[in-house]
Amino acid sequence: GAVVSQHPSRVICKSGTSVKIECRSLDFQATTMFWYRQFPKQSLMLMATSNEGSKATYEQGVEKDKFLINHASLTLSTLTVTSAHPEDSSFYICSAIAGGPGNEQFFGPGTRLTVL
Amino acid sequence: KQEVTQIPAALSVPEGENLVLNCSFTDSAIYNLQWFRQDPGKGLTSLLLIQSSQREQTSGRLNASLDKSSGRSTLYIAASQPGDSATYLCAVSSGGSYIPTFGRGTSLIVHP
Repeated sequence: GAVVSQHPSRVICKSGTSVKIECRSLDFQATTMFWYRQFPKQSLMLMATSNEGSKATYEQGVEKDKFLINHASLTLSTLTVTSAHPEDSSFYICSAIAGGPGNEQFFGPGTRLTVL
Repeated sequence: KQEVTQIPAALSVPEGENLVLNCSFTDSAIYNLQWFRQDPGKGLTSLLLIQSSQREQTSGRLNASLDKSSGRSTLYIAASQPGDSATYLCAVSSGGSYIPTFGRGTSLIVHP
């Protein structure tokens, strides 16, 4: 299947700093990528839909000024957590639609963010 | 609004058993349904994708069925192995959107 990578896989930062997470589709182009957040033993919560060349669409309750999304190319979307606080600590996962029959989604390995 | 429910929430079985994981959804106007596997602290691995027009998909020891009219899908795992231990998530895309709605998952432990 198609491969999606994320970088970094794990990050620890101090409260108040900003953290950027990259999501790349390695062997296909993705006009649409998704960003999810997952708390321990919970399912995935969609944060936003990232569209190449246009503004991201945020889900209700997700602060767009807090979670900045940039989808500058067909293979790269970035999520920046601005002025991170301990409550932002979570597992962030991106996914991309590879196209083709059924528009199957492929997920990245996730980024574990810990804010001290 | 689509709602996805997975039953059971947790399952612990001895190696070799055949398993059935259930997924139900409230809106039958779906685009596709996808089953994923998630290992602890990892991302999701796509297992099977069933398009709206299909009834089932098979991959190795896995078989997923789809019954849109009753709003149900099942994931059948044959001859379970300890390596199958993981959380299995069901995701449904509907309403003309590719954005899936996830269930809370079934946590599976297969012990030797």
